Amino acid sequence: EDQVTQSPEALRLQEGESSSLNCSYTVSGLRGLFWYRQDPGKGPEFLFTLYSAGEEKEKERLKATLTKKESFLHITAPKPEDSATYLCAVYVDGTSYGKLTFGQGTILTVHP
Amino acid sequence: DAEITQSPRHKITETGRQVTLACHQTWNHNNMFWYRQDLGHGLRLIHYSYGVQDTNKGEVSDGYSVSRSNTEDLPLTLESAASSQTSVYFCASSEAGMNTEAFFGQGTRLTVV
Repeated sequence: EDQVTQSPEALRLQEGESSSLNCSYTVSGLRGLFWYRQDPGKGPEFLFTLYSAGEEKEKERLKATLTKKESFLHITAPKPEDSATYLCAVYVDGTSYGKLTFGQGTILTVHP
Repeated sequence: DAEITQSPRHKITETGRQVTLACHQTWNHNNMFWYRQDLGHGLRLIHYSYGVQDTNKGEVSDGYSVSRSNTEDLPLTLESAASSQTSVYFCASSEAGMNTEAFFGQGTRLTVV
C-alpha cells in the first residue's frame, strides 16, 4: 500500500529561523511528488512538482528537493506569512491520471 | 480569471437527508476530483471524473455519488447523510495528463447532526 508520511506534525519557528519539512514515501513507483500550501479555511494551493531524485525547485523562500525515499521543503528565513499547513502528495505508477495520495501535513507557525 | 468554486461554503443537515454539494470550474479542465479532509486522515479521494459522462470511485466512495453532465460541473451527492460524513469537502480540477497540478476550491464544511 502506498504511504506518505510527513514530519513533524507541527513546527514552530521564529521569524528568520530556517528549517526543513520532511515528506517520506513508500510507493511502488513514483511518477511525481507535489507540494501544496493550505491556509486555514481555504483549499490547498499548488507550490511544486518534483519528478525524479536529485531534482530541486525554488520559489521565494521555499526550496523543494527529492530523493528516492523522501522530499524536503526547506524554508529559508521564514516570515509570519509563511505560516500555513504544508501538504505533500504523490502520484504513483498504476494509478489513474491525477489521483494523488496525500500526507497528513505539517502545520508551520512562524512567530514575529 | 479562471477559478473553481464550491457551494455552499457551510451546511448543516440532518441524518438521513440527501445533500448535494456543488463544484464549478472555469478552467475548462477535463479532470475533476472530490476529496474530504479530516483530522488524522488528511485528504482522501471520494470520486473523480476524466470527462463528461465519466465517473470513478476513489478510496472512500461509499455513501457518495457524482455525475458529470458537462465539463464545468461535478456535483457530489450524499445519498443519506450520516454523522461520519461530517467533514470538509474539497473539489479540485486539473488538465488531462499525468503530472498536471490540481487546483482546489475553497471547500465546503458539512455538519451532519
